Amino acid sequence: KQEVTQIPAALSVPEGENLVLNCSFTDSAIYNLQWFRQDPGKGLTSLLLIQSSQREQTSGRLNASLDKSSGRSTLYIAASQPGDSATYLCAPHSGGYQKVTFGTGTKLQVIP
Amino acid sequence: GAVVSQHPSRVICKSGTSVKIECRSLDFQATTMFWYRQFPKQSLMLMATSNEGSKATYEQGVEKDKFLINHASLTLSTLTVTSAHPEDSSFYICSATDRVKEKLFFGSGTQLSVL
Repeated sequence: KQEVTQIPAALSVPEGENLVLNCSFTDSAIYNLQWFRQDPGKGLTSLLLIQSSQREQTSGRLNASLDKSSGRSTLYIAASQPGDSATYLCAPHSGGYQKVTFGTGTKLQVIP
Repeated sequence: GAVVSQHPSRVICKSGTSVKIECRSLDFQATTMFWYRQFPKQSLMLMATSNEGSKATYEQGVEKDKFLINHASLTLSTLTVTSAHPEDSSFYICSATDRVKEKLFFGSGTQLSVL
């Protein structure tokens, strides 16, 4: 059974800082890994999807890396902004792209 | 734009009533849809897998008679919370698979509050 851990659980930083969110998963036989953002009481916004054959994926100020063999992924956010405040979820896909296990998330607060 | 539509986004109901949540794939056929729930400060947990034209598969600990799932068409799955109680108050979210693109898309979620 896949288990996903995200560290830290919560993070508060001043605006402009670069930051790293960590994700570890127990079953390294993943199909791909996805990072989501969740705003309070709302659904999920997909940020980045990394295929198992890839090492990293970039979108704007976001960069996600994947070390499949060690069961780790990181999400790097550059020049953080107050609008980045949300909960970030790591979600590896196992047994194909459909079966997703979510981490407990990192709640980020960016202070103006 | 959204490719999976979920309604309603928020519902408040009295204890004992039933609530239906709809999940629609807008521009693709979804033979498989998934239902998750999230209790406060907890992770999203898979409740059940919904397959078009067949019975849903429920995860361990999820009562199938309480959470009725119907996937009658290739674009619509519904989750009905029957005889809802305050402990069923949670955030429910669906996802649908686009087999052509091999991608998984999520709905916007439904916040259920049972008084």
